Amino acid sequence: DAEITQSPRHKITETGRQVTLACHQTWNHNNMFWYRQDLGHGLRLIHYSYGVHDTNKGEVSDGYSVSRSNTEDLPLTLESAASSQTSVYFCASSESNQVGELFFGEGSRLTVL
Amino acid sequence: GQNIDQPTEMTATEGAIVQINCTYQTSGFNGLFWYQQHAGEAPTFLSYNVLDGLEEKGRFSSFLSRSKGYSYLLLKELQMKDSASYLCAVAGGATNKLIFGTGTLLAVQP
Repeated sequence: DAEITQSPRHKITETGRQVTLACHQTWNHNNMFWYRQDLGHGLRLIHYSYGVHDTNKGEVSDGYSVSRSNTEDLPLTLESAASSQTSVYFCASSESNQVGELFFGEGSRLTVL
Repeated sequence: GQNIDQPTEMTATEGAIVQINCTYQTSGFNGLFWYQQHAGEAPTFLSYNVLDGLEEKGRFSSFLSRSKGYSYLLLKELQMKDSASYLCAVAGGATNKLIFGTGTLLAVQP
């Protein structure tokens, strides 16, 4: 069965360190997205990609970067982790012609101390 | 820009019907979507509306009025497992991205 997986599921890091969250999907979807979820804010879009070598900034992209070298993977990098980036991160994917029916990974809980 | 409003919390009784409202403002509209999210889990897609009217999927129905910027999710024959957050999301704006509301936490009581 096709799926979307994230790793690590839980991570604790220190302020200033670089962190990469992995996202891998076997749906063969062109569209991939990274959201963060915080109490009181809901899901907020960080970065998204509509295909290989395509990346775009979302509404809360500062301090984050992504790269898309193949269809299956969209890793999210925090260049220099800050305590404000403590959150639950969700990766999602969708078919090319679908803007709203997203398939989500199980989430990665990141704590920055 | 886009703005989405939905109640923070609701409580309902097992076997009853509950309606979760969502109002939105967006420049450009390409659909309204509902997701369910159980505590500690990923959101899962429930339904979507592009045209005005009611869409029914089993115990769940979703309604849309584009002129009023209004939608609701109707849950019938509530079960304990329906206790979850329900997220309203709108696709639109200049880049047609999906933007989520903060979610409504529904507690179903015996």
